[in-house]
Amino acid sequence: AQSVTQLDSQVPVFEEAPVELRCNYSSSVSVYLFWYVQYPNQGLQLLLKYLSGSTLVKGINGFEAEFNKSQTSFHLRKPSVHISDTAEYFCAVSSTSMDSNYQLIWGAGTKLIIKP
Amino acid sequence: ETGVTQSPTHLIKTRGQQVTLRCSSQSGHNTVSWYQQALGQGPQFIFQYYREEENGRGNFPPRFSGLQFPNYSSELNVNALELDDSALYLCASSLATGGNGYTFGSGTRLTVV
Repeated sequence: AQSVTQLDSQVPVFEEAPVELRCNYSSSVSVYLFWYVQYPNQGLQLLLKYLSGSTLVKGINGFEAEFNKSQTSFHLRKPSVHISDTAEYFCAVSSTSMDSNYQLIWGAGTKLIIKP
Repeated sequence: ETGVTQSPTHLIKTRGQQVTLRCSSQSGHNTVSWYQQALGQGPQFIFQYYREEENGRGNFPPRFSGLQFPNYSSELNVNALELDDSALYLCASSLATGGNGYTFGSGTRLTVV
């Protein structure tokens, strides 16, 4: 079984400052890792994903994340945030095994609050 | 490439009633998942359909049921609505090959009064 922990429920940051949203996971099997973003009153949009290969993954809107297997982390970063990045960010994992039907296990979310 | 479309966008129902929510999956996707997202919380997995068969279910009672049609569109049915069923219901489609991530619809906001 897998679990996902997003350590911060809210992260306030000034516009144009860098940000890191933390995600740790627990799993006894190999996993795929995802970050989704949810803007107010909307569905979820895939930001980026890690399947295999390079541990640094680049996504949309200038976001990137680094997979750290030894620390079981997949933190999301952006070097300079914009007011339009205000949203809730969800980390999710799925097993790489077909037996799991690739179901996503979700973190509780982190609200990114951009201060002008 | 069309995305995932959900209908209706908003719905108000009375406790004890039944509701049907609809989802059209993204073109080429054969798997549909449904999630419940209560206010201020992350999505909770309800169930998943692959080729018209349920192939995964979360911790939801049997009054939550679903269907997937040959064109891979899907319905979520909830019977005997309770106040706690008020939430955003999200549909997501994917290819059943893993690692592709899911494409989500904008959701149906259900309010039970």
